Amino acid sequence: EAQVTQNPRYLITVTGKKLTVTCSQNMNHEYMSWYRQDPGLGLRQIYYSMNVEVTDKGDVPEGYKVSRKEKRNFPLILESPSPNQTSLYFCASGSGTGLPGANVLTFGAGSRLTVL
Amino acid sequence: GESVGLHLPTLSVQEGDNSIINCAYSNSASDYFIWYKQESGKGPQFIIDIRSNMDKRQGQRVTVLLNKTVKHLSLQIAATQPGDSAVYFCAENRGSSNTGKLIFGQGTTLQVKP
Repeated sequence: EAQVTQNPRYLITVTGKKLTVTCSQNMNHEYMSWYRQDPGLGLRQIYYSMNVEVTDKGDVPEGYKVSRKEKRNFPLILESPSPNQTSLYFCASGSGTGLPGANVLTFGAGSRLTVL
Repeated sequence: GESVGLHLPTLSVQEGDNSIINCAYSNSASDYFIWYKQESGKGPQFIIDIRSNMDKRQGQRVTVLLNKTVKHLSLQIAATQPGDSAVYFCAENRGSSNTGKLIFGQGTTLQVKP
């Protein structure tokens, strides 16, 4: 089954404790992206990657890091989490650059993160 | 600044009626728009897209209309069903069509009454 898999789905952590949210897709997609979803703010893009070893900042990259060493994986790293990073996070992938591939996205089921 | 917004946070319709969900955008350079549906506890799911050189596109029970003059797009759902209950997001591709930088609106919650 074609899918985007995120782990963990739920996580409660404390301020400053580094964590990684993994994302893996099995569709051989070139494009991958991370979003956070907060009430009243919709989905905001954190980072995206057009291909292996190519990453770019989205609209809210502060406090996050990403890497794209392999095509299928795009982990989101919070080096020193803070309470304002409490959110619902979604990883997504798309079939390629240009229209419509990078825009017709397959989303993961989401990872709910709470930072105390 | 650039923004994508929806006119109403919540829309309640009777089962069987048609639904119209509206979205306004501010970036006149945007050339591609998409609608996503997010059911409770799930990630968003692609519904339909439209390029800026079109003003209408139809899918199965859904139609997207684009009015570039007033920078407005809408999603029409025919014969709304309980399974259509979800949050609907419009999204625009910011400027260059190759970047994949989607800007999402805040979402409209569609409630279908039996």
